[in-house]
This record gives sequence, structure tokens and C-alpha cells, in this order.
Amino acid sequence: EPEVTQTPSHQVTQMGQEVILRCVPISNHLYFYWYRQILGQKVEFLVSFYNNEISEKSEIFDDQFSVERPDGSNFTLKIRSTKLEDSAMYFCASSEGAGWANEQFFGPGTRLTVL
Amino acid sequence: AQKITQTQPGMFVQEKEAVTLDCTYDTSDPSYGLFWYKQPSSGEMIFLIYQGSYDQQNATEGRYSLNFQKARKSANLVISASQLGDSAMYFCAMSASGGYQKVTFGTGTKLQVIP
Repeated sequence: EPEVTQTPSHQVTQMGQEVILRCVPISNHLYFYWYRQILGQKVEFLVSFYNNEISEKSEIFDDQFSVERPDGSNFTLKIRSTKLEDSAMYFCASSEGAGWANEQFFGPGTRLTVL
Repeated sequence: AQKITQTQPGMFVQEKEAVTLDCTYDTSDPSYGLFWYKQPSSGEMIFLIYQGSYDQQNATEGRYSLNFQKARKSANLVISASQLGDSAMYFCAMSASGGYQKVTFGTGTKLQVIP
């Protein structure tokens, strides 16, 4: 069964460093997303991406964040200068179509720890 | 804006018994989808079941069923014949036509199945 994959599973970084989180969405999916979950809290939407453009982003997704689809399979989230409060689980998701009738399939997550 | 409320932070259920996890939602959009995800202690998000706002029948997927009461804006998850492997966090979520592609999550219910 096709699945979303994410690497690395755990990333530890120093405050102020740049990190890139990688995702490989399901191959026939066209819509990609990033969410984050701070420990013990609910999952929060960060950004959605379609046709090589951001289609929606939340207030969390400020100038420190960027997304890219560098090739036909990878989808990345970059945090330019990490802060302590960026420590969280980051989930990539993908869906075949857009909108409310399309379920999003999540990857296993990358746990980011900022020291 | 969409809002999901899960009022049960934690639940216990005896193995082989059925359990209902509560979820209420709020949206002014006429078109929306409701989802349930399971998050085991390992952290990944597993899609369980989907209910569309126009669906006439309650969704079922194996031992999972969604008790959809549109007038009450509730979308409770029913797990029949609980198994030890069902112990996990369960998140109710929704996507609405006015929210483009993002999924809004509730705070989750931690289910523990007792042998």
C-alpha cells in the first residue's frame, strides 16, 4: 500500500541553525501539506502546496519557513533559523485531490528537537 | 473558521468491549468532511475513517464506525470489540469548503484498552 515517507525520523539541531525536513508524498497525489504537533498538543496546519505554489498557509508559517518540491518526488520544509519553540513533531501529508472530500494521508513524522 | 471539540482527554475500555469517542464540530460551511486519525505512542498519524457532510449513511471501516448526527454537529467514533492495539491517541478532524485544503484537528482523546 502506498504511503507517505519522511526523513529523518528524528533531528536534533542547535538554535539558530537551518534544518530541512524531507517528505516523499504518495506518487499520484497532487496536494501536499505540512503540519506540526508540539508535544502534548494538537496537530496544527502549517502550509498546503499545489502546482509548485503555496495555496494556503497559517499564521505559524512565517518568513522562517519555506517549502519546496525540488524534484518529482520530494517535498521539503525548511526552517531557516530554528528557535526553541520550533521543537515539535512535523508531519507531511498528501492527498489526491483538494478540498473537504479528500482525505489526507500522513507520513510518520519527523521529531525536531532544538537545543 | 472551523472548530473541533473533543471533551474526553482520556478513556478506558475493557478489551472486547465497544467504546465511543466524542467529537463535536462547528463550521458555517455547508460542505465539509470529518475524519478520525489514530496516533499510537510511536507518533505516526493513521487515517481511520471519513464522513462527508452530504453522506446519508454513517461511515464504517471494519471495527470503526462514525456516528454522524448532523443536526447536533457531532461525529463520534465507535470502536467495536476493542483490542489492546487500539490503545492510542485519537484525533477528530475536519476540512471545510471555506478552509481550502487544511485539516483542523481537535485536542485528542487518549484511549487505553484494559486486558
